[in-house]
Amino acid sequence: AQTVTQSQPEMSVQEAETVTLSCTYDTSENNYYLFWYKQPPSRQMILVIRQEAYKQQNATENRFSVNFQKAAKSFSLKISDSQLGDTAMYFCAFMKRGGIQGAQKLVFGQGTRLTINP
Amino acid sequence: DTGVSQNPRHKITKRGQNVTFRCDPISEHNRLYWYRQTLGQGPEFLTYFQNEAQLEKSRLLSDRFSAERPKGSFSTLEIQRTEQGDSAMYLCASSPLAGAGEQFFGPGTRLTVL
Repeated sequence: AQTVTQSQPEMSVQEAETVTLSCTYDTSENNYYLFWYKQPPSRQMILVIRQEAYKQQNATENRFSVNFQKAAKSFSLKISDSQLGDTAMYFCAFMKRGGIQGAQKLVFGQGTRLTINP
Repeated sequence: DTGVSQNPRHKITKRGQNVTFRCDPISEHNRLYWYRQTLGQGPEFLTYFQNEAQLEKSRLLSDRFSAERPKGSFSTLEIQRTEQGDSAMYLCASSPLAGAGEQFFGPGTRLTVL
């Protein structure tokens, strides 16, 4: 079974600063996806960034980038030039990449509550 | 709005009552998932449909829980004889058959069992 661990329950930074959220995972699979999802207060979960395990290049999406260390099973999220709207719970998630009827469920970490202060 | 919708958004019930939640996925999405999220925790997988077929169920899904997706479109999640431990946010997500893994989440149904 896969597990995902986020060791930082809460983080707080000033607006415009850079912040890094940590995530480690445990799996024996070789073919999988990793995700960071954002859940703003009282709003639905949305995808921030996705990484395919077979790709060595770290994914980037505007101000969001990841540091994917496959051997270490580490997948951190860096938010540059943080904005007030980045305040949210952030969840790291793992998905085994299966066939048509393969397991497609997301396995989530416990989350990190990120607060961006003005 | 063409996103995932869930109804009701909030449900308060007394212990022992039955409740049913509905999820309408994005129309062209074949896959539909149910998750449960308790306060301060990450979502936990409950079950997964591909079209009308229920392909996987978590051990979290006790005999009191049943999910259906009769025509491969909307889905319902029923909890019978609710217990206080069932209080949680129930999230629905959908994804296309051929995609890069992203699941699109609905706003959730918050269940409170008194």
